[in-house]
Amino acid sequence: EAGVVQSPRYKIIEKKQPVAFWCNPISGHNTLYWYRQNLGQGPELLIRYENEEAVDDSQLPKDRFSAERLKGVDSTLKIQPAELGDSAVYLCASSPPRTVKETQYFGPGTRLLVL
Amino acid sequence: GDSVTQMEGPVTLSEEAFLTINCTYTATGYPSLFWYVQYPGEGLQLLLKATKADDKGSNKGFEATYRKETTSFHLEKGSVQVSDSAVYFCALKRYSTLTFGKGTMLLVSP
Repeated sequence: EAGVVQSPRYKIIEKKQPVAFWCNPISGHNTLYWYRQNLGQGPELLIRYENEEAVDDSQLPKDRFSAERLKGVDSTLKIQPAELGDSAVYLCASSPPRTVKETQYFGPGTRLLVL
Repeated sequence: GDSVTQMEGPVTLSEEAFLTINCTYTATGYPSLFWYVQYPGEGLQLLLKATKADDKGSNKGFEATYRKETTSFHLEKGSVQVSDSAVYFCALKRYSTLTFGKGTMLLVSP
């Protein structure tokens, strides 16, 4: 079974430029999460989707971050414009429906460096 | 709010040594508790979990017991291997949100 797929794996951009990350969750997983992991820290939730609906985006900096999950499958996270402090690893995770929500399956992440 | 505190690393051990990584948490209610492992260049993988007090999670020789009285979920392994070298994250879950600790790096030498 294929795991959570993310691309690109690495991205280097200059500040004020836009950037987008893509995530393909495990087939059949209706819940999708985006996390940000700063260096030396644990992941922190940015947004959670149940199918197409963003049900928790309280930690998403909405002035520059946006996300979408069209058709309830793939998802894109965008930053515009990027700032130096956005340098981090952006992790996507998914979990299956109903009773097994405790288990979140993580992708390898996209490592962003803003210069 | 919810929080997880882990012992700082790196933890450096020789192969076959006993491992303990301490984890304590602060949360209201009855969270589920998890240990995730992150190998170099890879995403986080669930190592083990416990969903209620006194439950013991175990996997690949690792164990952790949910201690509500001490709000702890310490990770243990009786004999570590070089391949166990990784970063270990303790986490709690209330509702659908995972809250992670900062992670503890484990380095095992032959």
